[in-house]
Amino acid sequence: ETGVTQSPTHLIKTRGQQVTLRCSSQSGHNTVSWYQQALGQGPQFIFQYYREEENGRGNFPPRFSGLQFPNYSSELNVNALELDDSALYLCASSLGGTGGTFYNEQFFGPGTRLTVL
Amino acid sequence: GESVGLHLPTLSVQEGDNSIINCAYSNSASDYFIWYKQESGKGPQFIIDIRSNMDKRQGQRVTVLLNKTVKHLSLQIAATQPGDSAVYFCAETKYGNKLVFGAGTILRVKS
Repeated sequence: ETGVTQSPTHLIKTRGQQVTLRCSSQSGHNTVSWYQQALGQGPQFIFQYYREEENGRGNFPPRFSGLQFPNYSSELNVNALELDDSALYLCASSLGGTGGTFYNEQFFGPGTRLTVL
Repeated sequence: GESVGLHLPTLSVQEGDNSIINCAYSNSASDYFIWYKQESGKGPQFIIDIRSNMDKRQGQRVTVLLNKTVKHLSLQIAATQPGDSAVYFCAETKYGNKLVFGAGTILRVKS
């Protein structure tokens, strides 16, 4: 069974640029959630995708957008990068995500470290 | 590897002792609570979870206690080992999509 993978591992961008981060979900999982973790803080929920549709969004501006593909892999896109976007971006996959009254464990990838200069 | 918790509270324990990590959660409507362990340079790793209709759950060397009256969660680690050194986060969720993480605690195990 392959775990959650993310690419790239590290990335350096300058203010105003755009970035795309990628995530491959664990085998059999149909749901991907993205989190931003600033240094010294807990992860913050950006959004979740379930079967290619957005299924919940946190308090992030529209310049944070995402996609989920038919194979359930996912992309996080950030436009007009700001210095405060520097963080570890985590992807987590799970099975489910329909918003029903149950919890399915989210398995996290190692993250992409984004530095904005 | 790079530290994930430069300004977090730190708990230092001697190897072999028991550790207790505490967490206050915010949403009384949350239905699941989860503890994660995050080592330097890695993503969070699931430790144990507990449903809101329970007050205690035990795993291998770990116990989670939930006190809904005061919205408090704790993680007890028995016979703490050097490999337990990491940042520990509690998280809460309702309906399983969005995880809301706490601030985290650094656990340092002294040999």
